[in-house]
Amino acid sequence: EDQVTQSPEALRLQEGESSSLNCSYTVSGLRGLFWYRQDPGKGPEFLFTLYSAGEEKEKERLKATLTKKESFLHITAPKPEDSATYLCAVQLSIDYKLSFGAGTTVTVRA
Amino acid sequence: DAGVIQSPRHEVTEMGQEVTLRCKPISGHNSLFWYRQTMMRGLELLIYFNNNVPIDDSGMPEDRFSAKMPNASFSTLKIQPSEPRDSAVYFCASSIQGLAGGRQFFGPGTRLTVL
Repeated sequence: EDQVTQSPEALRLQEGESSSLNCSYTVSGLRGLFWYRQDPGKGPEFLFTLYSAGEEKEKERLKATLTKKESFLHITAPKPEDSATYLCAVQLSIDYKLSFGAGTTVTVRA
Repeated sequence: DAGVIQSPRHEVTEMGQEVTLRCKPISGHNSLFWYRQTMMRGLELLIYFNNNVPIDDSGMPEDRFSAKMPNASFSTLKIQPSEPRDSAVYFCASSIQGLAGGRQFFGPGTRLTVL
């Protein structure tokens, strides 16, 4: 059965303290792996799509990487405004559905 | 662009009542997705449409749930009769299938509370 697992469930960081979030997946036929950010009371907001192992993408303090079994979202020198829930999702090559992990809630203290 | 528009933003109803949630996708998008988010189950896909045709409704929990997309700019998700366990945030998302890897744009959600 296809599965997406995110860890840790929650992460509390001091401002400037870099860290990484993990998204491991067991699927057959990956089309793409997506990262979204979700703020309380809002819908998920797109961050990145990764398509093949070895691919990396960056946006401000965020960097996403992909291997054949997992993806990492690295947060470098986070600021309080990076506090959010980060969701990863996989899309299979057979259709355009997204299957989401449970998310990692990141809290950055000033 | 206004983004994906959902209404109402909040809905409180009593068990047994009919609930209709509405979604207007981004103009030009040809795929539309309905999701439900709860603390217990996270974000789960209920149904998705491509070119107004339902493609996969395997996530619809039971016959009390139905969804329609009468045209490219409007979709509804109906629950009849509603039950307390239906309480959740319901999101609509749209995308251009085949482009940009099918990146989905989410609406602000409808928070449903069934008493």
